[in-house]
Amino acid sequence: SQKIEQNSEALNIQEGKTATLTCNYTNYSPAYLQWYRQDPGRGPVFLLLIRENEKEKRKERLKVTFDTTLKQSLFHITASQPADSATYLCAHPSSNTGKLIFGQGTTLQVKP
Amino acid sequence: EAGVTQFPSHSVIEKGQTVTLRCDPISGHDNLYWYRRVMGKEIKFLLHFVKESKQDESGMPNNRFLAERTGGTYSTLKVQPAELEDSGVYFCASSHHTPTSANTGELFFGEGSRLTVL
Repeated sequence: SQKIEQNSEALNIQEGKTATLTCNYTNYSPAYLQWYRQDPGRGPVFLLLIRENEKEKRKERLKVTFDTTLKQSLFHITASQPADSATYLCAHPSSNTGKLIFGQGTTLQVKP
Repeated sequence: EAGVTQFPSHSVIEKGQTVTLRCDPISGHDNLYWYRRVMGKEIKFLLHFVKESKQDESGMPNNRFLAERTGGTYSTLKVQPAELEDSGVYFCASSHHTPTSANTGELFFGEGSRLTVL
C-alpha cells in the first residue's frame, strides 16, 4: 500500500538556523508532493507543492526538493524563527482517486 | 472569503450515543473531503464528495459512519452509535480541483471537530 514516512521525532533547532525535514514514500511514484503546516488545535494549511519533474521549489524562506530516485522530499526553512514552530505534514495524491495520503508529520520547535 | 467551517469544535459523548458533525466548505468548491486523525496516528482519508455525490468512501471505518451532502453544499458526518475508538479529530477540507496527477488540488482544511467518546 502507498505509504509516506516522516520523522516522528521532534526537531529542535536554534533560531536563525536552517531546519530540514524529511519525507520518504514507498510503493508508489507520485506525480507531486504537497507540504502542509499544522498548528496545535488548528487544521493543516497548504504551503507548497512540488511536481515530479521539478527538482526544487522555493517560497520565501521555504524550499522543497523532490528526488524521485531516492523517493524522498526535503523541506527546508532557512533563517528559522520561533513562529515557524509547528507540525509539518507531507502528502501525495493516491494513484487513482482524489484522496491525499498524509505522513504522520514532524514537529519543529525553534528556540530563541 | 470565508474558509471551511466546522461545527462543533469539540464534542464529548458517551459510548452508544450519536453525534453529527457539520462542515461548510468554501463557496464554489465542488470537492469536499472528510479526514480523521486519531491520537498518535497520521491524518487518514474517510471520504470524498463531488457536489452531492460520493466519489470515494473507501476510508469510512464501518457502517456506523454516515456522511451526506444534500444539495452539494454543506456536509454532515454522523456517527451512530459512537464507540471509544471513534475518538479523534475530524477534519473537513474542500478544494476547487480534485488532486490527481494532472492538477494540484490544494486542500483547504477546517479547524476540525474534536470528538471524545467516553
